Amino acid sequence: NAGVTQTPKFQVLKTGQSMTLQCAQDMNHEYMSWYRQDPGMGLRLIHYSVGAGITDQGEVPNGYNVSRSTTEDFPLRLLSAAPSQTSVYFCASSDYNEQFFGPGTRLTVL
Amino acid sequence: DAKTTQPPSMDCAEGRAANLPCNHSTISGNEYVYWYRQIHSQGPQYIIHGLKNNETNEMASLIITEDRKSSTLILPHATLRDTAVYYCIVRVPHGSSNTGKLIFGQGTTLQVKP
Repeated sequence: NAGVTQTPKFQVLKTGQSMTLQCAQDMNHEYMSWYRQDPGMGLRLIHYSVGAGITDQGEVPNGYNVSRSTTEDFPLRLLSAAPSQTSVYFCASSDYNEQFFGPGTRLTVL
Repeated sequence: DAKTTQPPSMDCAEGRAANLPCNHSTISGNEYVYWYRQIHSQGPQYIIHGLKNNETNEMASLIITEDRKSSTLILPHATLRDTAVYYCIVRVPHGSSNTGKLIFGQGTTLQVKP
């Protein structure tokens, strides 16, 4: 049981490039979320999903797209990276009470 | 989700109890109090949650006041590994329109000192 896995661990992009952050969970959780954390700040919700085929926006969705074609996977896409998207990105899946977080992806946009 | 207020930082001596307060004066009747912590740059880790009764598990105890407007997380015997940022969050569990969402504040940075 790997829990929540995220790839890559580190990524450097140039402004305007696109990429996808991968997130997978093997706990059969319906609910998954993406957060970003800027230095010295708490986590902010980007997008979330309550099940395969269903997604919704969080606090800071602009510049990000998500899809949920399977229960296990919840990728986050940056369409045209900007320096303001430099951050640590955490994916989470949850059962009724507890959210389980992945180890994070550290993204730098130059 | 109701807003929470926590002190930005606290110190605690190793082996002593750490008591972390949280104010949530606008909490609704169906909202639970959750505590998570984040050690260094890792993903947050669930600690405990409760509605109105005090709760205890292997990690901590949660004391909620009778009017539910504030709560205290207690780490009974703090160790150096408990140094982390602790987040108090109020939310409705799954099955509501807030399913899956956590709204994080700034949290309290707990420094456990030898």
